[in-house]
Amino acid sequence: GAGVSQSPSNKVTEKGKDVELRCDPISGHTALYWYRQSLGQGLEFLIYFQGNSAPDKSGLPSDRFSAERTGGSVSTLTIQRTQQEDSAVYLCASSTRVGTLRETQYFGPGTRLLVL
Amino acid sequence: AQKITQTQPGMFVQEKEAVTLDCTYDTSDQSYGLFWYKQPSSGEMIFLIYQGSYDEQNATEGRYSLNFQKARKSANLVISASQLGDSAMYFCAMREVNTGNQFYFGTGTSLTVIP
Repeated sequence: GAGVSQSPSNKVTEKGKDVELRCDPISGHTALYWYRQSLGQGLEFLIYFQGNSAPDKSGLPSDRFSAERTGGSVSTLTIQRTQQEDSAVYLCASSTRVGTLRETQYFGPGTRLLVL
Repeated sequence: AQKITQTQPGMFVQEKEAVTLDCTYDTSDQSYGLFWYKQPSSGEMIFLIYQGSYDEQNATEGRYSLNFQKARKSANLVISASQLGDSAMYFCAMREVNTGNQFYFGTGTSLTVIP
């Protein structure tokens, strides 16, 4: 498809387990963002990739969170030793017109993570 | 302080009527961009409209317009001729030139269109 895709759409895991969330951005989009949306809240910035530059990890809440982007395309967000407070929707976005204020982000449908 | 404030957790509007969703922002930058996104129950965020801080005209995109009042630091979204499909969460967001990659989002307003 032409849009941003994310997998899995839903993930239920047990506390302490590791999870991997995947994002496939729109082809040709060099920028990729990860956000977390907790119930009833706005979006919380996690990490940003732009081309081959070092990622901006300033939003990652703890060292249990990490992300990588292979070949400038697919990205994986990894949460180690999951905690119940990690339960949220994780949204990925890719963008065009990078470097301008009018950068339009295109979002995926999100992964709903539930940590039991 | 919150960068983006949306004070209306929920709003109702009659079909075919207009509705205004409030958004105020906090920044000391002179150059910034303001965005509105729609999030239907499916969860996907959909870009609606953009307003640059130096834009003299209020932005319009079809039935969406942005009532930009720079001195009051407000960027309210106006939806005209509401449709049932407009029922969704609406998020206001801001990007500042000096904080680079960060987009700051508000907590959202849930809009319900009543037939």
